Amino acid sequence: NAGVTQTPKFRVLKTGQSMTLLCAQDMNHEYMYWYRQDPGMGLRLIHYSVGEGTTAKGEVPDGYNVSRLKKQNFLLGLESAAPSQTSVYFCASSKDLSSNQPQHFGDGTRLSIL
Amino acid sequence: KQEVTQIPAALSVPEGENLVLNCSFTDSAIYNLQWFRQDPGKGLTSLLLIQSSQREQTSGRLNASLDKSSGRSTLYIAASQPGDSATYLCGSGGGADGLTFGKGTHLIIQP
Repeated sequence: NAGVTQTPKFRVLKTGQSMTLLCAQDMNHEYMYWYRQDPGMGLRLIHYSVGEGTTAKGEVPDGYNVSRLKKQNFLLGLESAAPSQTSVYFCASSKDLSSNQPQHFGDGTRLSIL
Repeated sequence: KQEVTQIPAALSVPEGENLVLNCSFTDSAIYNLQWFRQDPGKGLTSLLLIQSSQREQTSGRLNASLDKSSGRSTLYIAASQPGDSATYLCGSGGGADGLTFGKGTHLIIQP
């Protein structure tokens, strides 16, 4: 029962470096989301996808790009990392928009930008 | 824009007490409301989901209620245990663009 899997779990980057966070779900869910969690700010939506090949901006999209080439994967990219992007990143998925469908979360990626 | 507030921000109670965590939201046009538990350094574990047409949901010692007209949800924990210590988050679902979260209630149950 893998559910939502995020890789890597931890990463330290230098300012200006790039990296990609991978989210994979094995539940055949249509909707996928990337959130960031910062102390005192709660979780905020970065980008989301309503199906394979689609992406949309959330509340805090600047500095990030995403791709959903395969239904089961949702990638979050940082082209030029900045210290302000130090955060814990969570991926989530849901089956559809029915009101009885919960969002399922991964265990998070802890990212530090020096 | 939906705003979600959780009160209190922190709570410490002796083991065995019943307690209530509060969540309020500004836009009543929600699909559902989810309550999560988050342990330190871990991800979010879904506890309860209340659909917009429902008034409450129960799972074991947990009971969540929803009052859309007043923009409030409560999470009731009966007979609290030290293992219930965690941060509790509520998230309102309004559509395709994910959940809007409160900042959470940090709960400590004293043995």
